[in-house]
Amino acid sequence: DTAVSQTPKYLVTQMGNDKSIKCEQNLGHDTMYWYKQDSKKFLKIMFSYNNKELIINETVPNRFSPKSPDKAHLNLHINSLELGDSAVYFCASSQRTGSHGELFFGEGSRLTVL
Amino acid sequence: QQQVKQSPQSLIVQKGGISIINCAYENTAFDYFPWYQQFPGKGPALLIAIRPDVSEKKEGRFTISFNKSAKQFSLHIMDSQPGDSATYFCAASEGGTYKYIFGTGTRLKVLA
Repeated sequence: DTAVSQTPKYLVTQMGNDKSIKCEQNLGHDTMYWYKQDSKKFLKIMFSYNNKELIINETVPNRFSPKSPDKAHLNLHINSLELGDSAVYFCASSQRTGSHGELFFGEGSRLTVL
Repeated sequence: QQQVKQSPQSLIVQKGGISIINCAYENTAFDYFPWYQQFPGKGPALLIAIRPDVSEKKEGRFTISFNKSAKQFSLHIMDSQPGDSATYFCAASEGGTYKYIFGTGTRLKVLA
């Protein structure tokens, strides 16, 4: 039973299109994240939600909009896709016991913008 | 100041050898330093982590060495195996921020 699952695993689309990636975690965690991994493997945080509340919003273009309908789900919608959006997007979750929690990552969603 | 610098970018080690990956940070408020391991096509997974109140932590063949005064920490993989071939990321977090800053990653290849 997958702990953090993302769909779809692969996305190929044209510039200018809109796409969504869905994420679900069954670990009972209270915090979820979106990370972007570029072609050089660099991992950069985009957003984080804690109990459905947005707590981290890095300098990400407004074309990216996260939505957390409940604490087990965090979706990412991207408008007007650009070539530079091509990357692997990872969803992660953690339980904020104390001040730190182990990050559990999904397997990633590879987005290719043509 | 939020960066975590990681080196080397890539590393090739013979089976049975020691793999060493280094990281350095500037923000003295960081208080948790994990290492993540990522295999191709998978998400990163926690390997081992350390807090700055200890100088070393060992789990099996994996050891973190931590030098608080130098603001550096490193991962040592003893008796490296081909199955250890992966990308390794160091990271740092400041308590209460909910944010991990990742290093740039090290691609390790262990030759059989």
